[in-house]
Amino acid sequence: NAGVTQTPKFQVLKTGQSMTLQCAQDMNHEYMSWYRQDPGMGLRLIHYSVGAGITDQGEVPNGYNVSRSTTEDFPLRLLSAAPSQTSVYFCASSTGTQTYEQYFGPGTRLTVT
Amino acid sequence: GQNIDQPTEMTATEGAIVQINCTYQTSGFNGLFWYQQHAGEAPTFLSYNVLDGLEEKGRFSSFLSRSKGYSYLLLKELQMKDSASYLCAALAGNNRKLIWGLGTSLAVNP
Repeated sequence: NAGVTQTPKFQVLKTGQSMTLQCAQDMNHEYMSWYRQDPGMGLRLIHYSVGAGITDQGEVPNGYNVSRSTTEDFPLRLLSAAPSQTSVYFCASSTGTQTYEQYFGPGTRLTVT
Repeated sequence: GQNIDQPTEMTATEGAIVQINCTYQTSGFNGLFWYQQHAGEAPTFLSYNVLDGLEEKGRFSSFLSRSKGYSYLLLKELQMKDSASYLCAALAGNNRKLIWGLGTSLAVNP
């Protein structure tokens, strides 16, 4: 099993550009989530999904969209990148709700100039 | 409000024992997680406590006191590879969201 994979590993965007961060898991996990991690802020939940076709907002959803058309994939879209979105983005999955151990992807390091 | 507190930094010596504390204030507490995160890498799961008491897993143990809103992670026989950030997270509320601490950066010196 590859576990949770994320692409790209690094990305530089200009302000106003859009892009999609990819996340896939091959563990048949129902629950998937996106976090951002910033120095001094800890991990913050952006969006999450409890199954295909179901998504919900986390703590910091503004400026981001998600969709979950399959169990395996959970892409995160930045609609119009802003410097405040410079961060490390982690995708995670688990078998159930957040009660269960979460498996994190390797992260995407995004810089917006 | 909901809050998690843990020390920012700790230093210990190889072979020693270190205890990393975490206090939490949450509504609808449903359990406490510990994750390890090496620099530049993703967090990895260490432990989950939902009942009071000590859970031991090899060199790592985790303790929970629900009445005191307190947990600790105990690392024994420290190795250099244990140098990492240790994240405490509480599962809280009816919607069972994770509240993350900022992490404790542990440096293990020879």
